[in-house]
Amino acid sequence: QQQVKQSPQSLIVQKGGISIINCAYENTAFDYFPWYQQFPGKGPALLIAIRPDVSEKKEGRFTISFNKSAKQFSLHIMDSQPGDSATYFCAASRENTNAGKSTFGDGTTLTVKP
Amino acid sequence: KAGVTQTPRYLIKTRGQQVTLSCSPISGHRSVSWYQQTPGQGLQFLFEYFSETQRNKGNFPGRFSGRQFSNSRSEMNVSTLELGDSALYLCASSLVPGQGVGYTFGSGTRLTVV
Repeated sequence: QQQVKQSPQSLIVQKGGISIINCAYENTAFDYFPWYQQFPGKGPALLIAIRPDVSEKKEGRFTISFNKSAKQFSLHIMDSQPGDSATYFCAASRENTNAGKSTFGDGTTLTVKP
Repeated sequence: KAGVTQTPRYLIKTRGQQVTLSCSPISGHRSVSWYQQTPGQGLQFLFEYFSETQRNKGNFPGRFSGRQFSNSRSEMNVSTLELGDSALYLCASSLVPGQGVGYTFGSGTRLTVV
């Protein structure tokens, strides 16, 4: 049973445009929602994360929007740049429990055209 | 500060063989988690170790096993390799378990089974 659904699978955006990636989760026990960025040949790297007590978090050009009632969260990349071309994974986890593991979405391959 | 080190970076093995992958976490990190990444299945949780004890295990057959040493270094072993085991195996470390949010991933070991 997939607990985190991510869309779209791939995304092509022009330089300077806005990239939007969406995720939906099922388990209401999740209380931490990170996004990871992965470049070819590298492991995923933590990009930005949010807890459900806030509806939005912004770090530079990256913003997470969180809708607790809809069990959805999204990543917005403003002024997208070719260097942002990578695969993005959303994840959900339960902090400070024995659950331990994160559940990941299937990933979105973003291509930013110059 | 050194990141998460995984060795080897690449491996080619024959069906039926066994393989051992190694992971050295960030200094001071005591929790190590392993993930399998494939194009079709995304990031799938294998297991998590803390203080030499397996705390969580994903839904993988018993051919997949792991261990953690007193210095927090971890190894995972796959016996009787199958073609479907071809994947990127990622190790992630964090200070304590239950903090998937605090993951730092290594660059992975690319395993190809022929």
